[in-house]
Amino acid sequence: DIQMTQSPSAMSASVGDRVTITCRASQGISNYLAWFQQKPGKVPKRLIYAASSLQSGVPSRFSGSGSGTEFTLTISSLQPEDFATYYCLQHDSYPYTFGQGTKLEIK
Amino acid sequence: EVQLVESGGGLVQPGGSLRLSCAASGFTFSDHYMDWVRQAPGKGLEWVGRTRNKANSYTTEYAASVKGRFTISRDDSTNSLYLQMNSLKTEDTAVYYCARVPLTGYPLDYWGQGTLVTVSS
Repeated sequence: DIQMTQSPSAMSASVGDRVTITCRASQGISNYLAWFQQKPGKVPKRLIYAASSLQSGVPSRFSGSGSGTEFTLTISSLQPEDFATYYCLQHDSYPYTFGQGTKLEIK
Repeated sequence: EVQLVESGGGLVQPGGSLRLSCAASGFTFSDHYMDWVRQAPGKGLEWVGRTRNKANSYTTEYAASVKGRFTISRDDSTNSLYLQMNSLKTEDTAVYYCARVPLTGYPLDYWGQGTLVTVSS
């Protein structure tokens, strides 16, 4: 199985900060990576697909990059509604696997 | 509007069985692959499995943790997705979500609200 390692597991940041979350795959997955946001008690929401394509309706402050084994999710200027947990998902091969999550908290 | 509504969760004893349903609307269900994802209380997301569409013979894929115990099926005539869970273990306790795979193949663009399964004696 492909292991997905996210870093950091948790972080605190302030409104207006630029934030980067990294996801590393244990083997190459081309661009078969998605990013999801989940707020407490809510359903996960897809932000990015194909590593760098922005989901319709998602603010442009979110961006994704990477290919192969290393991927990043960047939030260019944190907004209050962005404090949540973020997950990456590889869908290159079965079984699909999520990263362990990155909890983004208010500093 | 795409809608996915899960049902069938509840309390079940270890070793028991439960069948979850997911009612789909707002899109051509029969065209799409569909996935199940779960989340144990306070934990991260875990992909459970997939059913492909009729054009791909309704074939399925599963996570190792559920293979041989869980079965995913669908009824395109009623736009319904199912997850039959047998030989349940306490570690299967989770919120179970159904989610759509768009025709582009990049999962998972729409999710249901989830249904809670608690496995406990």
